This record gives sequence, structure tokens and C-alpha cells, in this order.
Amino acid sequence: GESVGLHLPTLSVQEGDNSIINCAYSNSASDYFIWYKQESGKGPQFIIDIRSNMDKRQGQRVTVLLNKTVKHLSLQIAATQPGDSAVYFCAENTPGGSYIPTFGRGTSLIVHP
Amino acid sequence: DTGVSQDPRHKITKRGQNVTFRCDPISEHNRLYWYRQTLGQGPEFLTYFQNEAQLEKSRLLSDRFSAERPKGSFSTLEIQRTEQGDSAMYLCASSLRGDYPNAAHEQYFGPGTRLTVT
Repeated sequence: GESVGLHLPTLSVQEGDNSIINCAYSNSASDYFIWYKQESGKGPQFIIDIRSNMDKRQGQRVTVLLNKTVKHLSLQIAATQPGDSAVYFCAENTPGGSYIPTFGRGTSLIVHP
Repeated sequence: DTGVSQDPRHKITKRGQNVTFRCDPISEHNRLYWYRQTLGQGPEFLTYFQNEAQLEKSRLLSDRFSAERPKGSFSTLEIQRTEQGDSAMYLCASSLRGDYPNAAHEQYFGPGTRLTVT
């Protein structure tokens, strides 16, 4: 039978290319967003966050863009390296102070040397 | 290594048995979260503690699940009468509570406990 949920969206890139991973979030009231990286056999690792009063935030080799009009987030990774290969999740938080993120489904990034 | 540890890393149990998992957060973190993750999905929130107080529980957390954080440090998650549907990765995360909405809120995840119920 079909294994629902096993087939993650996958992005394959060459080492050195820039990667863009997209995420659609569900709640228009969400005001805080986080990108996580999860390598095989490990827990998710915080990459970068952004609040809804911003539309862009930059980190080291990563940039997050937020488009509230269409409820869309993207994560841009510059000069992608083999060590960037992982599953990437976006997560949204709604106001209330509990900071309990709701995770999206995830995108598998494969970087070819 | 994030500084959050979980034990055991893997657990195989027979349906109907009880299992208990432990999480040791980063020592100065006052918030501790439990999540469940199945293959191909993002983590799903189960419950969280601020210090020793359990402040919120998800509807996913059935009566067979119980979590404690007795001294505001380590936490345990117990599943009674396990079912095959409980098979998943159980993740623990900790954080330091900041002043919403201005503080950054970085959760540090442990490596997880993979539960297989046969």
C-alpha cells in the first residue's frame, strides 16, 4: 500500500550552487517563524528565525524571506555545501507567548559534490 | 551535540508494555518540550514544562501518556500499554524563556528516542 508521508519534497543541487527551500504556512495570525535543519539520526537544529514585522533576515550563508500576503517563507542557502544535506523544516508560532512551533512537512536537500 | 541528552536512543517493546524515556535539558533552561515525529513528518508537539509545572498538553497526548519534570531539571515521558501506532521518534527540546515577543526563542533538541512497538 501507499506509504503516506515518506516521500518528502526533494531539492537536489550541486555543491557551490545557491539553494532555495520554500514553505507555505497555514495561520495568518502567526507572528514568528523558524527554520530548522534535521540531519539523519539527529534532532532538529535551529537555523534562523524571523518575526512578522520583518520581510527579510540574514544569517551566515542563510537568508529567510517572509511574504505575509501569500503566507510564504523561503530559506536561501548560499554556496551550498555537502554538509548542508539534511531535511529542512519551517515552523510557525501564533501569538500567546508559549512558543510552541507548528512544524511544516519538510524538504529534503541533497547536495552533490 | 546540543547539550540536550535523551535516554535510551532506541527502544523496542512489545505491544501492551510500558516504556519510559528520559530527557536531560541544558541545565539553565527553564522550558522543556516533548514532541513526537514520524517518518517524513515534522515534529508534533506533545507537552511542555516551565520549571516543574506542566503548562500545556496537546490533544495528541492520550491518557496513556504521562510526563513529569519533578525538580524542574530532567523530565520523563511514560507511555503505558503501548500500541503499534506509538512507534515514532520522541524528541525533547529545551529553551530559556524570554520576554515575548522580543526575545529570540531557540529550542535546542536532543537526538531523540526511537520507539518501535512490535
